[in-house]
Amino acid sequence: NAGVTQTPKFQVLKTGQSMTLQCAQDMNHNSMYWYRQDPGMGLRLIYYSASEGTTDKGEVPNGYNVSRLNKREFSLRLESAAPSQTSVYFCASSESQGSGNQPQHFGDGTRLSIL
Amino acid sequence: AQRVTQPEKLLSVFKGAPVELKCNYSYSGSPELFWYVQYSRQRLQLLLRHISRESIKGFTADLNKGETSFHLKKPFAQEEDSAMYYCALLKSGAGKSTFGDGTTLTVKP
Repeated sequence: NAGVTQTPKFQVLKTGQSMTLQCAQDMNHNSMYWYRQDPGMGLRLIYYSASEGTTDKGEVPNGYNVSRLNKREFSLRLESAAPSQTSVYFCASSESQGSGNQPQHFGDGTRLSIL
Repeated sequence: AQRVTQPEKLLSVFKGAPVELKCNYSYSGSPELFWYVQYSRQRLQLLLRHISRESIKGFTADLNKGETSFHLKKPFAQEEDSAMYYCALLKSGAGKSTFGDGTTLTVKP
């Protein structure tokens, strides 16, 4: 039981390049989330998916797209990377709303640098 | 709109001293609050939640609705408590959480 798995762990991109961050969870959670973590700014929600087949914008969605491929996987795509997107990205998952307010389980993070 | 404020970005105490990490929130409904911890080179993980009313690793947190606070306390800090701590508010029924900016706790020997 690996919990939440993110790939890659590190990535360096040039401005304008695209890439997809992968996230998978094996806890049968309905809800999944993508956050970015920047110094002094805590965790900010980029996008989330309350259930398979649905996605919604979070606090800072501009420049990103997401795909909830199936119940296990929730990917984050940067179509044209910008230096402002240099950050540590965390994926998380949680039980569905119907089972009460459950805490989130986080992946190890992806450290992304955009030059 | 819901908001979580952690007024201290950095907090430093000596081993054995009491520690209190502050968290204030604003939310019109009935909140559910959590403390998450991120140790060096590890993933963010749940420390405790207010509805559990439990003590984890010697830490406790009490929800004070009158003061809209959920401060995290430990009577005797240990060096292994050094980490980043996040307070988070979960809006009832919404599924997503609002996180504070985090407090980096350093416990000095």
